Order: sequence, then C-alpha cells, then structure tokens
Amino acid sequence: GGIITQTPKFLIGQEGQKLTLKCQQNFNHDTMYWYRQDSGKGLRLIYYSITENDLQKGDLSEGYDASREKKSSFSLTVTSAQKNEMAVFLCASSIRVNSDYTFGSGTRLLVI
Amino acid sequence: GDSVTQTEGPVTVSESESLIINCTYSATSIAYPNLFWYVRYPGEGLQLLLKVITAGQKGSSRGFEATYNKETTSFHLQKASVQESDSAVYYCALGENYNQGKLIFGQGTKLSIKP
Repeated sequence: GGIITQTPKFLIGQEGQKLTLKCQQNFNHDTMYWYRQDSGKGLRLIYYSITENDLQKGDLSEGYDASREKKSSFSLTVTSAQKNEMAVFLCASSIRVNSDYTFGSGTRLLVI
Repeated sequence: GDSVTQTEGPVTVSESESLIINCTYSATSIAYPNLFWYVRYPGEGLQLLLKVITAGQKGSSRGFEATYNKETTSFHLQKASVQESDSAVYYCALGENYNQGKLIFGQGTKLSIKP
C-alpha cells in the first residue's frame, strides 16, 4: 500500500512570515489537493493539481501559492502568515480527477 | 451557492443505540451531485466511509448507511447499533461527476460513544 505524508506535522510561524507545507504521495496518483480546515468548519479547497506542473485555484487561493514540480509532491506556501491564524491544512491525492481521495494526516499551523 | 449542512456536534450516543447524523445539501451549480461521508478516527487521517453517485441509491460501509434523497436534498448517515469504535468525526461532502474532483464539505460532527 501507499502513503501520503505531510510535513511538518506542526508549524508555528510569525506574522508576515512565508511558510511552506509539503505533501508527498507514493500512490502514483495524478491529482493532488490542498484543503484548509478551521475549527468548527468544513474543509475548503485552496489549490489543486490535475497532473504534474498543473495548478488550479480553489475557493480559498488568495494568500497562498502552490507548486507541483513532480507527480509525487505538492507544496503549499502561505505567502504572509496572519497573526492568530490557526488551522489544519490537509493534503489529498486521487488516482485521477473524480476518483476517491486519500488524505494525509494534516499540518497544524499556528501563527503568533 | 453550493453548500453542505450537517448535525451540529458534539453528539453522544450510548453503545448499542441507534444513530442518525443529518446532512442536507444545496447544489445550485452542480448538475449531477455525488455525495460522500468521510470519517476521521482519533489519531488517523480523514478517510472515505461511503459514497453514492446516483439519486435514490443507498451506500453502506461498516454498518453505516446513507441514502441519496434528491427530493429532500439529504444524505443522512445512520447506524442501527453503534460501537465504541465508531467514536470519530464524520463529514458529509458534495462533489460533481464532471468537476475537477472538488469536494464541498460540511463542518463535521464529532461523535462520542458511551460504553
């Protein structure tokens, strides 16, 4: 079986800092996603990538950049961390568009 | 717009009792909604519990069932007899067959089972 790994598990940043979250999968899945979850709210799509070198904006893309340099990895950058921001960022992959997701365990972000 | 609303948590149920977690959706821009239940067990990642892509059909997994009701725009999750191992956070989600795999999630319902 494969695995989808998110690093780091916990990330503490300072206001205004640029922060990068990484996601790796060894399923050989084409499509990858970044979602954000705030406490008491559902997941919201930030960016997704249909295949290597493709990037598509989700509903919450403002304030973020993403990068899919190779099929197995998908990075997300918070361009300027907001003070008191606290959220969990979830990466997911699927064999192709419209296939079932496999989620990573998440990166918890706290900005002080 | 498109949205999903589910039972506000936390929900506590005694072991062996029945469970229903309500989920209703609005799919104004989605022609052919697909409906999902995801679950996050303590210490684990979010995983697919069940899905239904055709209105009127029922999905089932691990003793849970959900029926896609287009008339009431609902996809309630039910289980006849819960176990302590069902303690988890449950998320209802809406997707489209012909979209690029985007899912719209409800806010999640934390379920605790009393032994």
